[in-house]
Order: sequence, then C-alpha cells, then structure tokens
Amino acid sequence: DQQVKQNSPSLSVQEGRISILNCDYTNSMFDYFLWYKKYPAEGPTFLISISSIKDKNEDGRFTVFLNKSAKHLSLHIVPSQPGDSAVYFCAASDLATDKLIFGTGTRLQVFP
Amino acid sequence: DVKVTQSSRYLVKRTGEKVFLECVQDMDHENMFWYRQDPGLGLRLIYFSYDVKMKEKGDIPEGYSVSREKKERFSLILESASTNQTSMYLCASSSGQGSGELFFGEGSRLTVL
Repeated sequence: DQQVKQNSPSLSVQEGRISILNCDYTNSMFDYFLWYKKYPAEGPTFLISISSIKDKNEDGRFTVFLNKSAKHLSLHIVPSQPGDSAVYFCAASDLATDKLIFGTGTRLQVFP
Repeated sequence: DVKVTQSSRYLVKRTGEKVFLECVQDMDHENMFWYRQDPGLGLRLIYFSYDVKMKEKGDIPEGYSVSREKKERFSLILESASTNQTSMYLCASSSGQGSGELFFGEGSRLTVL
C-alpha cells in the first residue's frame, strides 16, 4: 500500500513559467513533508520541507503548499529554469520511526 | 561540508556473487539507511539502523543484510546477487531531529549479469 503517491510520472514546462508538482498521502500522522531533487547518477538532494502544522513554506523560487484536509501537497517552482530539470521526489516523515517514505517521483523537464 | 560517501559508484557482478556496498558519513549521525531506486518505483527502504550494532528491516529486506560495526559506517551486503537486484543503491544518514531530513550519498549503480 503506497502511503505517498505522485500520480504524474512526468511534467514538461516552458522556461519562465510555473511548475507545479503534486503529491498525495494517506497517513494523517505524518509530521513533516519534504521534497527532494535528483539528477541522473547523483543522490537526491533536499529541496524544501513543511511541517504538518503549517500550510505554506517558501524558499526563493520554491514554495510548498499543504492541504491537510485533502491530504495533498504541491511544490511550485516560479520561474522555472532549465537547471530545474530533474526527478522530484515527495517524502513524508514519521518522527516516531525516523523514517522517510518516498513517492515514486515526477520527472520535470523545463524547455527553453 | 557534510558528506555521505559510498565506496563504489559503479559495479558489475555476476549472479551468485557476494556484493558489499560501503557507506561512510562524517556528520556523527545516529541513523543510517539503505534505499534502492528503480524507475517507476521511487525510493524503497531496504534496511536502516538507529545505532551501532542495531539494524531494522525496511520495506524490501529480502536478499539483503547489513552491518553497522561503527557509528559512521553502514554496509549493505548481497549474499548471493541476482539479476533483479540490478539497481541504484542509495545510502543516507540523519540526525533524527528536526524534519527528519536525510542526507544522501551519490549512489552506487549495481548491475548483476
């Protein structure tokens, strides 16, 4: 049973426009939600996180929104740049177990 | 600069061989993890460890074992490699505080022939 889902395997966006990546979860006990970015042949790198008690967190071009009633979060990238082209993983943290549960990833391609 | 180092970036092994994947972190983190990444399946947790000598099974432990003799080192062992273990293996560590953020190594791409 997949507790964290990313239903869009890929997304293509023009440079300068907004990229919106979506993630759904099933467990209301998650404490934090995190986004990771991964380039080919490299390990994932942390991008941004949000506590379950907040509904928005912003860091430069990246904003994460959390809708607890819908068990949904999204990552907004504005403006999108070609260097943002990567696979983005949504993850949920259960601090009681210190484990991160990852979604299946969304491949973002930003074209000129 | 914090770092998680995986000993081998690329390995090619034959079916039935024993495989060791080594991981070292320099952040004095308590927790260490091994994931594998496969297309369409995301990152799946194989094993993790909260302390030296301790290990816990993740979601897909079959065919794997681990060793944590020192705090900074966490090894993944494939006792008898099989072709379905061809994958990207990712080691990570965390302090167990804050958001639960994991710091990942660069990954080890294993091909089993």
